[in-house]
Amino acid sequence: KAGVTQTPRYLIKTRGQQVTLSCSPISGHRSVSWYQQTPGQGLQFLFEYFSETQRNKGNFPGRFSGRQFSNSRSEMNVSTLELGDSALYLCASSLANIGNTEAFFGQGTRLTVV
Amino acid sequence: GESVGLHLPTLSVQEGDNSIINCAYSNSASDYFIWYKQESGKGPQFIIDIRSNMDKRQGQRVTVLLNKTVKHLSLQIAATQPGDSAVYFCAENSGNNRLAFGKGNQVVVIP
Repeated sequence: KAGVTQTPRYLIKTRGQQVTLSCSPISGHRSVSWYQQTPGQGLQFLFEYFSETQRNKGNFPGRFSGRQFSNSRSEMNVSTLELGDSALYLCASSLANIGNTEAFFGQGTRLTVV
Repeated sequence: GESVGLHLPTLSVQEGDNSIINCAYSNSASDYFIWYKQESGKGPQFIIDIRSNMDKRQGQRVTVLLNKTVKHLSLQIAATQPGDSAVYFCAENSGNNRLAFGKGNQVVVIP
């Protein structure tokens, strides 16, 4: 059974640009969550989607957005990139509620903003 | 605010010895906890979970202990191997379908 797949693995963007990251969850998993990981802040929750609906959102500015498709694949978008957006962006999938079932992470997308 | 934290930033352990990683949490309403292992350049890897109606759970070479009275979680790794060198995170269910993570604890296995 394939794990969580994130693309691309690495990305370099310039300040002011926008970026879209993709996540394919484990087959059968309907919940997809996104996290930002930085050395200073650790793993910070961005948002969670279930059946194409955003159920929860973390404390990030509106430049960070996401969506989920009918096949449970998810994308997140960051507009008007800032240097501080450089981070490892991780996607996690779980069967239903990430808060009480096993959540599995992808390898992440390493975003560097220059 | 609610937080999950670790006591020690780095743990150095001799190969073959047992490792214990500790984690304190502040949300007494949390009812589900997970330990993750993250190796350099990889995403967090699920190790073991525990629900609040249990105080101990064992996996392969790992044991998680939960003390709800003092809001403390620990991960024990038996017969630590070089492949166990990684950063370990505890995470708790903070409600609303999200996990709150601790800062992480580096484990270094000395051959």
